[in-house]
Amino acid sequence: GIQVEQSPPDLILQEGANSTLRCNFSDSVNNLQWFHQNPWGQLINLFYIPSGTKQNGRLSATTVATERYSLLYISSSQTTDSGVYFCAVHNQAGTALIFGKGTTLSVSS
Amino acid sequence: DTEVTQTPKHLVMGMTNKKSLKCEQHMGHRAMYWYKQKAKKPPELMFVYSYEKLSINESVPSRFSPECPNSSLLNLHLHALQPEDSALYLCASSQGGGFQPQHFGDGTRLSIL
Repeated sequence: GIQVEQSPPDLILQEGANSTLRCNFSDSVNNLQWFHQNPWGQLINLFYIPSGTKQNGRLSATTVATERYSLLYISSSQTTDSGVYFCAVHNQAGTALIFGKGTTLSVSS
Repeated sequence: DTEVTQTPKHLVMGMTNKKSLKCEQHMGHRAMYWYKQKAKKPPELMFVYSYEKLSINESVPSRFSPECPNSSLLNLHLHALQPEDSALYLCASSQGGGFQPQHFGDGTRLSIL
């Protein structure tokens, strides 16, 4: 099956810093989603981005499907950005999301 | 993703109890999912319902019993659970067939005594 690897596993930032999170996947994909899971467990959709670049406020994402990776950029980080960031891709049948292990981000003031 | 509503938010139950988790969406989605998430791990798929029919059961023990009464509602019936079943249970929905983005509820945090 498809393997999804995220890096780094942990990231500690000061408020205001920028960061880049990476997601590598082992096979071609038809869907890729980035999620933020906050400390209360809520899994929030950030981007649906099978290819190309999207931006939403301080966050942007780029997926290069031919090279099998996606990047999530967080600019001017805030303490509310803390939590776990998951990348997920569909399995070959499109029936289930396969999640990476996540990047745990801690932003301090 | 508050468009998928899960109740209750927290549940504590004994190993002999029977309880149910509920998930509701009003986005017109035709596929619904149950995921289980243990602490410090990513979510893992349990069940998929497509057009109200069970299409995937990821070898989940029979003490978990899913039900999809209609296209908006998904239940997970629990019976004789074990302490290792304590986890966050997440419901998701998507528009329909494969490769559609999935939208998650806030989850039910389940503790088995």
